[in-house]
Amino acid sequence: QVQLVQSGAEVRKPGSSVKVSCKPSGDTFSSYAISWVRQAPGQGLEWMGRIIPIFGIADYAQKFQGRVTITADKSTSTTYMELSSLRSEDTAVYYCARSPGITIIEFDQWGQGTLVTVSS
Amino acid sequence: EIVLTQSPEFQSVTPKEKVTITCRASQSIGFSLHWYQQKPDQSPKLLIKYASQSFSGVPSRFSGSASGTDFTLTINSLEAEDAATYYCHQSSSLPHTFGQGTKVEIK
Repeated sequence: QVQLVQSGAEVRKPGSSVKVSCKPSGDTFSSYAISWVRQAPGQGLEWMGRIIPIFGIADYAQKFQGRVTITADKSTSTTYMELSSLRSEDTAVYYCARSPGITIIEFDQWGQGTLVTVSS
Repeated sequence: EIVLTQSPEFQSVTPKEKVTITCRASQSIGFSLHWYQQKPDQSPKLLIKYASQSFSGVPSRFSGSASGTDFTLTINSLEAEDAATYYCHQSSSLPHTFGQGTKVEIK
């Protein structure tokens, strides 16, 4: 079974950027999409955007347009989410989640989450 | 964007009791509605996809149904390990959206 392994916790200052990675174990890129979903402390789930790695095509939630960039490295089968102009409200656990197809469908596998703390 | 409204937001239930959680979509989404379980300090896990299809390995006490824009997650005979927050999610159109969550506590 595919597992998504994310990079470790990060601490950043306001105004800086953070880049989180997500790599499937025991699998390479095939016909699926990777979304990024965040969860602020004590809050619900919020979709940020997604990428179809084999095509390198990304879609973003309007709320994050211009601040988030999702990319994929085919050579390492790794997906990245970079969030810029960080503010304290961006403190959250960031998850990558896989959709088992390139259409808009369910998330059948989730990464373990990466805590990003934004603090001066 | 499509708004999903879950109810109730919190439910305290005794073991073996039946739990019903509702998710209402702000517009028609067909059957593109999925349910997840999230336990404290864990990632969400898929329970039900496309309104009523059980995901692999999910106990049979979890089931889903749909009626128009109203979707229901049912947990028959609640077990202590089912204490968690449950989220609905629509994949009918981008952006993906989630309900606000329903926390189920065991009495």
